Amino acid sequence: EIVLTQSPGTLSLSPGERATLSCRASQSVSNSYLAWYQQKPGQAPRLLIYGASSRATGIPDRFSGSGSGTDFTLTISRLEPEDFAVYYCQHYGSSPLTFGGGTKVEIK
Amino acid sequence: QVQLVQSGAEVKKPGASVKVSCKASGYTFINYYMHWVRQAPGQGLEWMGIFNPTSGSITSAQKLQGRVTMTRDTSTSTVYMELSSLRSDDTAVYYCARGPSVRYSSGSFAYWGQGTLVTVSS
Repeated sequence: EIVLTQSPGTLSLSPGERATLSCRASQSVSNSYLAWYQQKPGQAPRLLIYGASSRATGIPDRFSGSGSGTDFTLTISRLEPEDFAVYYCQHYGSSPLTFGGGTKVEIK
Repeated sequence: QVQLVQSGAEVKKPGASVKVSCKASGYTFINYYMHWVRQAPGQGLEWMGIFNPTSGSITSAQKLQGRVTMTRDTSTSTVYMELSSLRSDDTAVYYCARGPSVRYSSGSFAYWGQGTLVTVSS
């Protein structure tokens, strides 16, 4: 089983600042089958990034993903008020699929 | 447009079973895998398993094997997830999420149901 470790647990930033979220895998993620999701309270997760760096349909270009192998990063270039939420990484290359523990991006 | 609509909240006693439905629309139901994911209160996301609507085959997370079953009704484009021998730590919001086409082995979850809260309490 691939264990995904996200850091930091909480990120306190102001609107307009840059957010950098990390996701580290316990073993290499095949074919960069790594996704990022955003979740707001009371809502289902929303797909942001798949294939480590491809934006999902309708996702603003301030969201970008990078990385390969065991180290992946989600960057939000300039935080908008609606971006404050919890973010999860997920690998989907093989069973069992797993999620990271999440990073909460909160308003400073 | 693709939509996944789940059944309503449930309250169950320990030891009972719960069956959650996920009705799909906006696409050809049997052509896409369906995943189930759950989230305990205040916790992260936990993958439960994947269902192939074409073959009816299931691959579930090891910790749930023997307790989770998934079935489908192709006439109504609905997938069902049943969890048995419920315990208090099964209290969670349960989500269905559409996976990739059955022609592919892997894919992320672009479409999610709205979630179903299952509460297990005596």
